[in-house]
Amino acid sequence: QSVLTQPPSVSGAPGQRVTISCTGSSSNIGAGFVVHWYQQLPGTAPKLLIYDDNNRPSGVPGRFSGSKSGTSASLAITGLQAEDEADYYCQSYDSSLSGSLYVFGTGTKVSVL
Amino acid sequence: EVQLVESGGGFVQPGRSLRLSCAASGFTFDDYAMHWVRQAPGKGLEWVSGISWNSGSIAYADSVKGRFTISRDNAKNSLYLQINSLTPEDTALYYCAKVPYASGSLTGPFDYWGQGTLVTVSS
Repeated sequence: QSVLTQPPSVSGAPGQRVTISCTGSSSNIGAGFVVHWYQQLPGTAPKLLIYDDNNRPSGVPGRFSGSKSGTSASLAITGLQAEDEADYYCQSYDSSLSGSLYVFGTGTKVSVL
Repeated sequence: EVQLVESGGGFVQPGRSLRLSCAASGFTFDDYAMHWVRQAPGKGLEWVSGISWNSGSIAYADSVKGRFTISRDNAKNSLYLQINSLTPEDTALYYCAKVPYASGSLTGPFDYWGQGTLVTVSS
């Protein structure tokens, strides 16, 4: 049902850099709609991590950054820490005639080795 | 402190109805659009519905159109989701969430989320 595709999992050692891709189409990311990213720790509600492609809400560490190009977006985590182990979701908007106003990515589980 | 507290979930049989509620506090509720997002057990996030500050704009996911009705009561700082003709596919944790922009726009990132209320549909 998700129209934004993410890799199911990524992993890295503490201190490493990992990236999560979010691939959409011409009716969502490719149409110029902004992308937001959420972090969901086990057993908790999602938390806004990045908004409007590359902005961090107050309190989000600078090791999280977002970017966007064409029909895809990416979330990068530099200096990976054990506490970053969580599920991550991208979110954008869709202009197709049928479907949903908001669309989420399929989700990526980040594991810290 | 912003707080969103969902309630109304439970175990229900297929075909029945439920009304979910979300009590908001810590912000001027009638300034902001609100949304419902659900998450089936072990699955990803799915946007369900959104409503603007004055109920003038409402949107639904295709998967719930015709069965779900979103509403709000600004005097009671509350958001609602009426769910009819429940199916096992509606089994999920239902979150309410707010957007950060005090405007008429329905869209925006979800800056605050509740802890969710669980709906389980089974015979």
